Amino acid sequence: QKEVEQNSGPLSVPEGAIASLNCTYSDRGSQSFFWYRQYSGKSPELIMFIYSNGDKEDGRFTAQLNKASQYVSLLIRDSQPSDSATYLCAVQASGGSYIPTFGRGTSLIVHP
Amino acid sequence: DTGVSQDPRHKITKRGQNVTFRCDPISEHNRLYWYRQTLGQGPEFLTYFQNEAQLEKSRLLSDRFSAERPKGSFSTLEIQRTEQGDSAMYLCASSSTTNTGELFFGEGSRLTVL
Repeated sequence: QKEVEQNSGPLSVPEGAIASLNCTYSDRGSQSFFWYRQYSGKSPELIMFIYSNGDKEDGRFTAQLNKASQYVSLLIRDSQPSDSATYLCAVQASGGSYIPTFGRGTSLIVHP
Repeated sequence: DTGVSQDPRHKITKRGQNVTFRCDPISEHNRLYWYRQTLGQGPEFLTYFQNEAQLEKSRLLSDRFSAERPKGSFSTLEIQRTEQGDSAMYLCASSSTTNTGELFFGEGSRLTVL
């Protein structure tokens, strides 16, 4: 069974701080990794994807991938109250599977 | 591009009744997914279509659940003999074979079984 683990939180950070969200996965064959943001009562929307080991930066967001440790993280710099949401980690295996497996999500609260 | 649309947005039904949800994906997307999400949990995979072919179905999906995608366009998800445990948000998503693997989600259909 492919598993994606996330701490449910909530993670509370002050405005302007760095929020660090973590995710581990069980399937070593996983090749594609996604971070989705889900506001309360809304559907998930993609923030970032990463395929290769290392860091990938997009504005205030940085995704980090370590396949040896089966670990992927999302850093949000200069956190804003509008970043308050649930962040879902999704992992997709190789070998022709196009079905992402989602973690339970981490609730982030950015307080002014 | 009007996005993924789902109908109905909300459905309240009595236990034992059948319900059907419809999903219209983004027009050029050939991959279509159904997920179920309950409060405090991430989306749980139900089934996946590529064009009109149903290629994968979750082992967790009981035989009360059936999905179709005739002509590779819209999709329907039917739940027969609903149970209170079926109460959840049913999310449809679509993607293209040419994109990054990103799923585009609809707003979901919330089911409440009384």
